[in-house]
Amino acid sequence: DTAVSQTPKYLVTQMGNDKSIKCEQNLGHDTMYWYKQDSKKFLKIMFSYNNKELIINETVPNRFSPKSPDKAHLNLHINSLELGDSAVYFCASSQDYGSYEQYFGPGTRLTVT
Amino acid sequence: RKEVEQDPGPFNVPEGATVAFNCTYSNSASQSFFWYRQDCRKEPKLLMSVYSSGNEDGRFTAQLNRASQYISLLIRDSKLSDSATYLCVVTLNYGGATNKLIFGTGTLLAVQP
Repeated sequence: DTAVSQTPKYLVTQMGNDKSIKCEQNLGHDTMYWYKQDSKKFLKIMFSYNNKELIINETVPNRFSPKSPDKAHLNLHINSLELGDSAVYFCASSQDYGSYEQYFGPGTRLTVT
Repeated sequence: RKEVEQDPGPFNVPEGATVAFNCTYSNSASQSFFWYRQDCRKEPKLLMSVYSSGNEDGRFTAQLNRASQYISLLIRDSKLSDSATYLCVVTLNYGGATNKLIFGTGTLLAVQP
């Protein structure tokens, strides 16, 4: 069983479109995260939710909106996609917001054309 | 200045070699330290924590020097399966009891047969 799963794995779309990426974890963790890894392989946190509550909100364009319907799911919606949004987006989870070991999903490779 | 700096490599070493990676961090308030491993086109995974006293896990030894804000990873008797990108990670307090992981850009290791 996959501990942290993301869909879709690949996403190719045109500038200006709106898209969503879904994430689910079956580890029973309280905290979930979204990271962006750019073309230079730099991995940076975007958001974190603890038990459906937003606890980390880094400086990202407000075109990015996370949603956590329950503590096992954290989705990422992106409006008006731009070329610079092309990257790999990783979802992760941890036991709680103080835990340092994070379990990452396989990533969603987003390409905006 | 990047918060966590690493030599990007690549480090090309023969099987059986000993290889060392270094990392420096800029924020003296960093609390905890880790090495993550990321295989090509895969998600990052925790390799080991790093303690001031130094710690060892099989062929891997990690060391932290808080005074110099320097972290190291030593791999002995390199195997082909060690080929990956090694990410240096520090934690910073985000507020309250919430911590966030700050990733370095990684050092690429290629072990040659």
